[in-house]
Amino acid sequence: EAGVTQFPSHSVIEKGQTVTLRCDPISGHDNLYWYRRVMGKEIKFLLHFVKESKQDESGMPNNRFLAERTGGTYSTLKVQPAELEDSGVYFCASSPYLGQENNEQFFGPGTRLTVL
Amino acid sequence: LAKTTQPISMDSYEGQEVNITCSHNNIATNDYITWYQQFPSQGPRFIIQGYKTKVTNEVASLFIPADRKSSTLSLPRVSLSDTAVYYCLGYSGSARQLTFGSGTQLTVLP
Repeated sequence: EAGVTQFPSHSVIEKGQTVTLRCDPISGHDNLYWYRRVMGKEIKFLLHFVKESKQDESGMPNNRFLAERTGGTYSTLKVQPAELEDSGVYFCASSPYLGQENNEQFFGPGTRLTVL
Repeated sequence: LAKTTQPISMDSYEGQEVNITCSHNNIATNDYITWYQQFPSQGPRFIIQGYKTKVTNEVASLFIPADRKSSTLSLPRVSLSDTAVYYCLGYSGSARQLTFGSGTQLTVLP
């Protein structure tokens, strides 16, 4: 079974440019999460989809970030315009259930974003 | 389980048993205790989860005392490949998102 995949693995852009990150969750997983780790900080939650609907985007830092999940399958996270403080590693995770017990979230390898 | 405290780092030698203790004084009645492992350049990976007493799987054991204010992850006979960051985690919010702390950097030495 294929795991969670993310594309690209690395992205280097200049301040003010736009970048789009993609996540393909495990097939059949309704729940999709985006997290990120910025330099020297802990991994933080950004938002959560159930199928194609955003359920919780309380972690999104500002309106320069836009996430979508087309048809409840893959998801994209667009940063426009990118700022220096957006540099970090962006993780996507998926899970089949919503709850605490046995709710294993499967993480992708992350996309390392560098804004110059 | 919003706030957890665990050692920043630990060193061990190959073949030893490693115990990492996590403190979660404000654990709620319905909170589960979950541990993840993260290798460099990879996403976190689920290791084990428990609610009370002891849970064991093929990778680790998790010991939870009766008051549930702490938990101990036990890794038997570690090898060099167990060098990683270990997170003691809880779920929060309606999205059941994972709440990460700084984790414990375990370094296994030859």
